Amino acid sequence: KQEVTQIPAALSVPEGENLVLNCSFTDSAIYNLQWFRQDPGKGLTSLLLIQSSQREQTSGRLNASLDKSSGRSTLYIAASQPGDSATYLCAVFIQGAQKLVFGQGTRLTINP
Amino acid sequence: DTEVTQTPKHLVMGMTNKKSLKCEQHMGHRAMYWYKQKAKKPPELMFVYSYEKLSINESVPSRFSPECPNSSLLNLHLHALQPEDSALYLCASSQGTGGSLVPQYFGPGTRLLVL
Repeated sequence: KQEVTQIPAALSVPEGENLVLNCSFTDSAIYNLQWFRQDPGKGLTSLLLIQSSQREQTSGRLNASLDKSSGRSTLYIAASQPGDSATYLCAVFIQGAQKLVFGQGTRLTINP
Repeated sequence: DTEVTQTPKHLVMGMTNKKSLKCEQHMGHRAMYWYKQKAKKPPELMFVYSYEKLSINESVPSRFSPECPNSSLLNLHLHALQPEDSALYLCASSQGTGGSLVPQYFGPGTRLLVL
């Protein structure tokens, strides 16, 4: 059974810092990995999608990497801003199961 | 346009009521999903529709009844719910259900309170 773990569960940093969020998964048989952002009480916003054959994806200040063999992904946020405060979820798409498996999320707070 | 819309935004219902949640997308996506999300937890998959046919039911109680009237619309009919069913209900869509056809795009959700 695929399990997805995100560390840390919560993170609070001052504005301007670069930071890394971690995601690990137990079964490397994935199609892809998706990073989402969720603001309190809101839906999920897709940030980056990495196909299993890719190593990384970049969008603005965000960079996501994938090491399928070790079952790890990282989301790098450069020059953090208070508006980046949200919960960040990673999810893997399992081969054959046709579903996303989510991690528990990292609750990020950027302090002005 | 990568928007998935959901109505209503909030819903309060009693345990004997019947209500429906609605989801709509106009991206030409052929897969649509219902998720349930409790506070401080990740979304849990409930149902998947592929080409307007139910393809996955994650052992959801029959008091939740999904319906896909056409490729753009997805409904979730609610009847005789329990207080523990209170949650944020999220709809999502994707181009298809094959792994190469994600990403999934999520709507803003309906916050449901069952009294």
